[in-house]
Amino acid sequence: RKEVEQDPGPFNVPEGATVAFNCTYSNSASQSFFWYRQDCRKEPKLLMSVYSSGNEDGRFTAQLNRASQYISLLIRDSKLSDSATYLCVVKTQAGTALIFGKGTTLSVSS
Amino acid sequence: EAQVTQNPRYLITVTGKKLTVTCSQNMNHEYMSWYRQDPGLGLRQIYYSMNVEVTDKGDVPEGYKVSRKEKRNFPLILESPSPNQTSLYFCASRQGTYNEQFFGPGTRLTVL
Repeated sequence: RKEVEQDPGPFNVPEGATVAFNCTYSNSASQSFFWYRQDCRKEPKLLMSVYSSGNEDGRFTAQLNRASQYISLLIRDSKLSDSATYLCVVKTQAGTALIFGKGTTLSVSS
Repeated sequence: EAQVTQNPRYLITVTGKKLTVTCSQNMNHEYMSWYRQDPGLGLRQIYYSMNVEVTDKGDVPEGYKVSRKEKRNFPLILESPSPNQTSLYFCASRQGTYNEQFFGPGTRLTVL
């Protein structure tokens, strides 16, 4: 089983749609969870951290289910500018590497 | 401006010709790392460094070397590049365990 798995997509949605991405991780000792966004041929950038209680940042909501080892990202009212690849990222132990999923591609059209 | 810089941004070279990709960060971060990104394989860590003179292998270290003589710099060295090292390379840094990781703009390397 891969360490971090994501549905690669692509997800093609119209503007204004709500879209959800899922991610599963294999290591139950994972401590920290993030969603990064990567535009085509650009560097990844932190979108948001994921907290145990769930967290929201504007149109974006992230949730964590430790029992099921599952992370989600919900985007409401999609904008054209949301088109990108979304990377699920997990860190297992203090001071060590971030494990990246392969990413889910979102394309928002008008 | 807080940033991670990489040079060169684009490089085409030939098999066996040693090259170095530089990486520098101005945020006084302790942790730095190198990744390569390939279609269908995602981001894979090559090497990382937790502080000056402390480096360790990531998931795909074969064919690469690194050094960390100063806190701000973390060069990636390919002693004898081969075509399977053609990839998009990212350098990254972060301050602590749970902090945001910042990436450089990437270096697109082609080895002929």
